[in-house]
Parts: sequence; C-alpha cells; structure tokens
Amino acid sequence: LAKTTQPISMDSYEGQEVNITCSHNNIATNDYITWYQQFPSQGPRFIIQGYKTKVTNEVASLFIPADRKSSTLSLPRVSLSDTAVYYCLLSPMDGGSQGNLIFGKGTKLSVKP
Amino acid sequence: DADVTQTPRNRITKTGKRIMLECSQTKGHDRMYWYRQDPGLGLRLIYYSFDVKDINKGEISDGYSVSRQAQAKFSLSLESAIPNQTALYFCATSDFPRTYEQYFGPGTRLTVT
Repeated sequence: LAKTTQPISMDSYEGQEVNITCSHNNIATNDYITWYQQFPSQGPRFIIQGYKTKVTNEVASLFIPADRKSSTLSLPRVSLSDTAVYYCLLSPMDGGSQGNLIFGKGTKLSVKP
Repeated sequence: DADVTQTPRNRITKTGKRIMLECSQTKGHDRMYWYRQDPGLGLRLIYYSFDVKDINKGEISDGYSVSRQAQAKFSLSLESAIPNQTALYFCATSDFPRTYEQYFGPGTRLTVT
C-alpha cells in the first residue's frame, strides 16, 4: 500500500477552521482516501472518504486535487472536543489489500480555548 | 449497547502469564481485526479474520495467537506475556468488500510487569 505523510501535530483555537494536509505521492489509480479520528483511549472512528474533488459530510470536508497526490481534511469551526489524532489512509477499491488498513502516526490536533 | 465490545478494559499481568483478550460484535460483519497501539504511534495489525475458518497474520503476529469462536467473537491470546507487549489493544470489524470502513471497540489497556 502506498504511504501517506502528514504533519505530526497542529494547534488551533476554538472557532477556527482547521485544514490538515496529507501527502500521498504514490497513490494508485484505484485508491480511495480515507480519514479516521481517534480520541485519547478510544478506538479510531471513520470520518470521511473520497476519491477526487470534494466530499462533504456533517463532520468535515475532504478536498482532493486533480493529481490526487495530496488531500486536505477541513474541519470547520473547531471546538475543544475536536482535539484528537487524525489519520489519513489509502484504501484500494479492488480489495488488493484485502480490506486491511495501514495507520501511520497521524496528526495530533490540539484545540485551545 | 455498543456494537463492538472488548473485555477486559484494563488488565495488569505478570511476565510469563497467559492472558486472553476478548472481542464481541453485534454488527454481523464477517471480518474482524486485532490491532496494537503503543504511545504516540499509530495502530499496527496483529491478526485478521475473514470468517470463522480464515485467520491471517498481520504485521506483528509474533507472540500472539487468535481464535475465532463464532462470527461474533474473536479472541487474542498472549501465550507468555512480556513487558514489551504492554500496549493498548483494539478489536475492529468491517463489512468489506461492501465498505472499507472499520468499526473499533473501546480498547483494552494491557500492562505486563
């Protein structure tokens, strides 16, 4: 599976928009881009997934440029409860990884009052 | 009730002891996973199971064994615990290939002294 690179940590303040960028230069044509959120001492939770352009749900937006070599998770108006680790992963559509996910170290987002 | 449960939630054991961590799910998914997480690191896959008869080693299976007793139950055993197996352990399920999304349990914090 192709590797992803994301910042180790980010700081923000309540009410700000936070953008976390993930690099995946070797992304395969059949890879989805998936983001998970993990609160301390809890299991990761699926946030959003996309293939190209923009995807939005009630939690976040995912922006993917045409070359798909990077993606940006956007969290609008963060609150203290958004403090968590955010993981960017690649998931092959064709089942090549047999459904397995590879988690890197993620980005630790700290939201301050 | 939670869809994926793990027991125990916390366990302290001594070096050389055998210990079993249990996972149950009510989601009806065929695929189940065991991950390990060390402080400041992402999750690493220990074992995964496609169904009751199909169990596969993950990235770090040495020192661990698993048992898939039923579709809903997947247990992880440490035959002879050692201190560097001190970690947070997560069980997860997925409905792959319908979706790549994995659903995680609350985790078991294991300390080996």
